[in-house]
Formats: sequence, structure tokens, C-alpha cells
Amino acid sequence: DAGITQSPRHKVTETGTPVTLRCHQTENHRYMYWYRQDPGHGLRLIHYSYGVKDTDKGEVSDGYSVSRSKTEDFLLTLESATSSQTSVYFCATSGIQGMLDQPQHFGDGTRLSIL
Amino acid sequence: SQQGEEDPQALSIQEGENATMNCSYKTSINNLQWYRQNSGRGLVHLILIRSNEREKHSGRLRVTLDTSKKSSSLLITASRAADTASYFCATDEISGTSYGKLTFGQGTILTVHP
Repeated sequence: DAGITQSPRHKVTETGTPVTLRCHQTENHRYMYWYRQDPGHGLRLIHYSYGVKDTDKGEVSDGYSVSRSKTEDFLLTLESATSSQTSVYFCATSGIQGMLDQPQHFGDGTRLSIL
Repeated sequence: SQQGEEDPQALSIQEGENATMNCSYKTSINNLQWYRQNSGRGLVHLILIRSNEREKHSGRLRVTLDTSKKSSSLLITASRAADTASYFCATDEISGTSYGKLTFGQGTILTVHP
């Protein structure tokens, strides 16, 4: 959907290790978002970006950092992974410049397990 | 915190029947959106309704919005087994800076039996 690729699709790692998830888009969308999805919580916003090098925190940002050095890539980093960060992570994009009320387009997610 | 609360949490119907899902929210919004998620996949946008709109149709989908009650409903008519999925409402809340951020409900799991 909308040319969004998340990598890796699956990852198993150990507590305390750093983890970086990548989101790549080919639609030249301005806005990019990282969510986590957990049973009973729906999707919760971690961080978002409103332009190259412009990012801000979402609802559940503790323990996560992001970077966006170019329009097409948005990286999510867990500096020191904890078991509570085991989840499915989704990237989304939106935002044709100057248009309001736009939908978000989602990647297929990264399933991350922290042991 | 969850802006949208969806009802019911799960819905099981037979093919051909209509399915209705409800969403309530707490704050003023720019728009409300409905998404669908098939198992193991990302969310797919279904329909967007702006705060000044009351009803919108797309194929077999009908969405209503009542801003006075802060609620919305999604109706799927003549359901098919392929409609089996989770459905989420999401709100774009009015704020000083609008970057299209959405707040999602917990979703309704719809099962359509052949």
C-alpha cells in the first residue's frame, strides 16, 4: 500500500540490545508515523515526523528515538530493548503538501520479540 | 489514552447480513477515519468523514458522524466472508499544530460466516 516497506519484518533479540527498525516510502509523503500495536490497546503513536529532520513525540515515546535524514526513510530505534517493547510496529505515511484531511497509509508491520 | 472507544469488541454474523460498528470519542475533531486490518497485515484506509459532514457512502460502506454526541458508526451492508477483519476508528483531533496525527480505538473484530 502506497509503497511503504518496513524492515525487518520479524526480529527476535535479547533484552538490553539496541534495535533499529526501518520504514521506507516511495510516495514522497511529508508525514511519517511509528505506531505499536498490542492486544487490548489498539494502535498507539510512538513518534512522528513532519519533515526531514523534524520529529516529535507521540503518546508512548519513552525508550524510543527516531531519525529522518531524508524524505523516504524514517528509522525507529530502541536504544536498550526491554521485554515490554515486544510488540508489532507499524509505520504509516500521509500528507501531500498543502492538502488537509488525508488518510494514512500503512506498511505491513514488524513483529519484534524481546527475550 | 484512547480517544476512540469501539463497540462491540467482537461481532459474528452470517454472510449477507449487515454489520454495524460504533465508535465514540472525547475531544473535538477535524475528521474521523475508519480502517480495516486483515490478520497479519497493516491497516487499510476505508473512509474519511470530515467534522462538518454527517454521512458518507463508499460502495457497501456507510459512515455516520454525530459531533454533538461525539460518535460515529460504520455500516457494512450485505457482508461477505472476505469482510472478516478488524475494524478501527481513528480521530484527527483539533490541536494547535495539525500533522495528521491519529488516535485509534481498540477495534472491532468482525467475523462473517459463509
